[in-house]
Amino acid sequence: DVKVTQSSRYLVKRTGEKVFLECVQDMDHENMFWYRQDPGLGLRLIYFSYDVKMKEKGDIPEGYSVSREKKERFSLILESASTNQTSMYLCASSFRVGLDTEAFFGQGTRLTVV
Amino acid sequence: KNEVEQSPQNLTAQEGEFITINCSYSVGISALHWLQQHPGGGIVSLFMLSSGKKKHGRLIATINIQEKHSSLHITASHPRDSAVYICAPGRAYNTDKLIFGTGTRLQVFP
Repeated sequence: DVKVTQSSRYLVKRTGEKVFLECVQDMDHENMFWYRQDPGLGLRLIYFSYDVKMKEKGDIPEGYSVSREKKERFSLILESASTNQTSMYLCASSFRVGLDTEAFFGQGTRLTVV
Repeated sequence: KNEVEQSPQNLTAQEGEFITINCSYSVGISALHWLQQHPGGGIVSLFMLSSGKKKHGRLIATINIQEKHSSLHITASHPRDSAVYICAPGRAYNTDKLIFGTGTRLQVFP
C-alpha cells in the first residue's frame, strides 16, 4: 500500500511562530502537493513539486514556502504563522498512469494558530 | 463561478437507500477522481475514470465527458458510508493538478 504520512494530526501554534509541516511518501512518487482545506472552499493548492528541489506555486502560495531536498519528503513552511492560516492541511503524492494521474493523500494536519 | 460544482452539498439517508451524488465541471479534463474523506481528515481515492462507468463493491461511478458530468452512486447505503465525497477532475493539459469540488457531506442513519 502506498503511504503518505504527515508528521502531526493536530498542531497548535502561536501567531508569528515559524511552523514546519512534514510529509513523507514511500512509493518513489515524483509529484507531491500541499493543499489546505477550509469549509465551503474545498481543497486549494498551495505548492507542488515535480522533483527534488523543484517547486511551483499553486493557487494560494502567499505566506507559505516549501522544501523538497529528498524525493520522499515535502515540507510546508509557514514563515510567520497567522490566525488566517488556521486550517486543515493535506499532503498528496501522485504518479502517472498513462495520461492520467493516481493520487494518494495523507491523513491531514489540523493546524490552529492562536 | 466554480469550475467544479457538486450537488447536493449535504445528504442524509436511511440505511439501505440508493444514493446519488452529482458533479459538473466546466474545464476540459482527461480524467476525474472521486475521493472519500472520513471525519478526522484522511482522504482516500475511490475511483479514477475517464469514460463510461466503474464499479467497486457497492460504489458505482459514471462519467459523461461530452456533458461534463459525473455521478457517484452508492447502493444499499450503510452508516459506515458516512463521509464527505469529493469530485476532483484533472485538467486535460495538466493532469497532475487536480481541481476540487467542495464536497458532499453524506450521513447514513441506521
